[in-house]
Amino acid sequence: DGGITQSPKYLFRKEGQNVTLSCEQNLNHDAMYWYRQDPGQGLRLIYYSQIVNDFQKGDIAEGYSVSREKKESFPLTVTSAQKNPTAFYLCASSPIAGGSYEQYFGPGTRLTVT
Amino acid sequence: DQQVKQNSPSLSVQEGRISILNCDYTNSMFDYFLWYKKYPAEGPTFLISISSIKDKNEDGRFTVFLNKSAKHLSLHIVPSQPGDSAVYFCAASGYAGGTSYGKLTFGQGTILTVHP
Repeated sequence: DGGITQSPKYLFRKEGQNVTLSCEQNLNHDAMYWYRQDPGQGLRLIYYSQIVNDFQKGDIAEGYSVSREKKESFPLTVTSAQKNPTAFYLCASSPIAGGSYEQYFGPGTRLTVT
Repeated sequence: DQQVKQNSPSLSVQEGRISILNCDYTNSMFDYFLWYKKYPAEGPTFLISISSIKDKNEDGRFTVFLNKSAKHLSLHIVPSQPGDSAVYFCAASGYAGGTSYGKLTFGQGTILTVHP
């Protein structure tokens, strides 16, 4: 069964702590993405990666960091520098070859920081 | 700067009637457009897409229309069903060269409610 998994579904952290969100895909896709969704807003791109060991900042990268050591995995760390970390985080992947722009999304992680 | 806009936050439609969701964009480099459907606390799922070389694409009950001169696209759902109730996002992409390939810019979303 091919797809994208994100864990955990819900995550609670105290302010000042770093937290890492997991994203794994077995679709053999080259590109992976991280978005956040806030109420009444669309999906905003945090970071993306088109190849292992390479990634680029999206529109709202401040306070976040990523790594891409394996093709299947693209973890996102929400650092204590992120001013408003409470949000719904979505990971996605897409094939680069073939010109397809379609991205496949995971089920998301709801992060609450208090 | 919102490059993709969905100006209607919500839409309410009776079952069996047509739902029309609208989306406007400002960046003329966009050449591929997608619609996604999202239920609460779940990831978006792809619905339908259209390339800028076309003005219409159809898939079952879903049709997307693209008006490049007006920088406007719309999603038509006919007939609407209660199970279509969800948030609909339009997204746009364009090959601006280099690392932006495949990057999607999303609108704010429109909440569609289909009443039985």
